[in-house]
Amino acid sequence: GENVEQHPSTLSVQEGDSAVIKCTYSDSASNYFPWYKQELGKGPQLIIDIRSNVGEKKDQRIAVTLNKTAKHFSLHITETQPEDSAVYFCAASPSYNQGGKLIFGQGTELSVKP
Amino acid sequence: DTEVTQTPKHLVMGMTNKKSLKCEQHMGHRAMYWYKQKAKKPPELMFVYSYEKLSINESVPSRFSPECPNSSLLNLHLHALQPEDSALYLCASSQAGPWANEKLFFGSGTQLSVL
Repeated sequence: GENVEQHPSTLSVQEGDSAVIKCTYSDSASNYFPWYKQELGKGPQLIIDIRSNVGEKKDQRIAVTLNKTAKHFSLHITETQPEDSAVYFCAASPSYNQGGKLIFGQGTELSVKP
Repeated sequence: DTEVTQTPKHLVMGMTNKKSLKCEQHMGHRAMYWYKQKAKKPPELMFVYSYEKLSINESVPSRFSPECPNSSLLNLHLHALQPEDSALYLCASSQAGPWANEKLFFGSGTQLSVL
């Protein structure tokens, strides 16, 4: 089955710097890669997702890149702000005939210092 | 309305109690999920309902019993829980089933403590 590894487990940056979180997946059949942000006391919220037919996707200060050959994808946050501080989870999902279940990485705790 | 609402937010129960967690969404989503999340860990899938039918049970112990009364509501009935069942229980919904790779919308969860 699918396995997703996420690095780093903790990341501390200064406000205004960029932050990068990386994930690798094992199942080449995976074709959907969402990123979730979880603030303290809240449930995970989808911030961006990418499908396997796309190499990069941007939404304002957030971007995700996907390298299908290497089986890794990354989250890039530019001009970080204190409100970006949260735990970020990457995930991968195989196609229907492979079960289609979302598999999460272990999470990255991002701290943005003012 | 893009919210998934969970009640209660906090629950403390003894090992002999029976309690229920409730989840509601009004986005017209046809798939609803229960996840369990331990502190500093990712969510773990427990159950999936698709079109009000149980489609995935991740070998969850029978002391957890899900119920989907209609397409907007999802319950999780708890009985004879163990202290290790203490966790954040998250409900989620998506437009179609898990195989459709649709976006998941999560509620804020119920923080459960079993004494």
